Amino acid sequence: GENVEQHPSTLSVQEGDSAVIKCTYSDSASNYFPWYKQELGKRPQLIIDIRSNVGEKKDQRIAVTLNKTAKHFSLHITETQPEDSAVYFCAASTTGTASKLTFGTGTRLQVTL
Amino acid sequence: DTEVTQTPKHLVMGMTNKKSLKCEQHMGHRAMYWYKQKAKKPPELMFVYSYEKLSINESVPSRFSPECPNSSLLNLHLHALQPEDSALYLCASSRTRPTGSWAEQYFGPGTRLTVT
Repeated sequence: GENVEQHPSTLSVQEGDSAVIKCTYSDSASNYFPWYKQELGKRPQLIIDIRSNVGEKKDQRIAVTLNKTAKHFSLHITETQPEDSAVYFCAASTTGTASKLTFGTGTRLQVTL
Repeated sequence: DTEVTQTPKHLVMGMTNKKSLKCEQHMGHRAMYWYKQKAKKPPELMFVYSYEKLSINESVPSRFSPECPNSSLLNLHLHALQPEDSALYLCASSRTRPTGSWAEQYFGPGTRLTVT
């Protein structure tokens, strides 16, 4: 089955700096790669996603890049703010009528003032 | 309505009890999912329902029994659970192929389950 690795496990940045989280996946059939943000005690929230026919996608301060050949994708957050502090999960999905998500192990991002 | 709702928010049960978790969505999604999340871990897929039929069972013990009575509702029946089953149980829903944005999963707030 699919295996998703995520690094780093913790990341501390100063407000205004950029943060980068990287994931690799194993199943070349995966074609959908979402990123979720989970604040303490809250539900995972979809923040951005990318499909295998696209190399990069941007939404305001967040962007995701995908390298299908190398089987890795990354989340970039620019101009970080304290409210960006949370656990971020990457995931990969195989095709099918419904999507089957395999999550990475998570990155705890701390944005300090 | 763009939310997935789950009840109850918290549940404490003994190992001999029978209880049920409930999930509801009114977004017209025809795929629904159950995940288990332990503290400081990612969600782990348990079951997938597509068009009210069970399409994926990730080798979950039979003490967890899912049910999808209609396209808006998803239940998880619990019986004879173990303390290690204590976790946050998350429900999610998504559109199905070939509908656009079919893979995006939206999560409910979860039920925090404690087995004593």
